[in-house]
Amino acid sequence: SQQGEEDPQALSIQEGENATMNCSYKTSINNLQWYRQNSGRGLVHLILIRSNEREKHSGRLRVTLDTSKKSSSLLITASRAADTASYFCATPYTGNQFYFGTGTSLTVIP
Amino acid sequence: NAGVTQTPKFRVLKTGQSMTLLCAQDMNHEYMYWYRQDPGMGLRLIHYSVGEGTTAKGEVPDGYNVSRLKKQNFLLGLESAAPSQTSVYFCASSPPGGGNQPQHFGDGTRLSIL
Repeated sequence: SQQGEEDPQALSIQEGENATMNCSYKTSINNLQWYRQNSGRGLVHLILIRSNEREKHSGRLRVTLDTSKKSSSLLITASRAADTASYFCATPYTGNQFYFGTGTSLTVIP
Repeated sequence: NAGVTQTPKFRVLKTGQSMTLLCAQDMNHEYMYWYRQDPGMGLRLIHYSVGEGTTAKGEVPDGYNVSRLKKQNFLLGLESAAPSQTSVYFCASSPPGGGNQPQHFGDGTRLSIL
C-alpha cells in the first residue's frame, strides 16, 4: 500500500499549546497535502507542499516535508478549541488519485 | 456558492436493495471522486472521473458503479447493497491536474445496510 500513516492516532492538548502530527509515506511524491475533518463534516484542504519545498506556512499552520525520510509534519501553533478535528495527510498516486492516511484525532481542551 | 453537494445525507437500506448517491459541484471542476470512509481505515477511493463521460476504478470499486453524464454531476450506484457497504461516502472534486490540486469535499452520505 502507498497509504500515508499519521502519528499519533490521537492527541489531546490544552488550548494555547502547540500540536504536532506526523505523516509517513512509502513512495516518491511530487506533493503532499494536509486536510482537516470536523466531526460529521467533509474534509477541508489546509495546505499543499511540493516535493521541492522543505517548509510552508499558512497562518498558524506550519508544514515540513522531508523527502529523504518520506515524512511530513503539521504543526498547529497556539491551538484553539475550534482546532479540534481529525487531520489527514494525502499523497498523490498515478497522477489522478490520492491516498489518505488514517488520520490524527486532535482534541483541544479549553 | 454551494461547492460540493451530496444527496441524500442519510439512508438506511436492506440487503439486496439498490440506490444511487448523487454528487453535484458548482465549481466547474473537471475531476470528481467517490470515497468511502470506515473507522480506522481512512478514506479509500472507489471510482473517479477526469471529465464528462469518463470514469475509472479506484482502490475499492467492487459492488459499485458510477456515471458522469454531466460535468457537474457524479453518480455512485449500489446495484445490490451488502452490509459490508455500510460506510460514510464522500464525493470530492478538483480542477485539472489531479494529484497536484487540492480536493473539495462534500459533507458525506451516511449509509447503513441492514
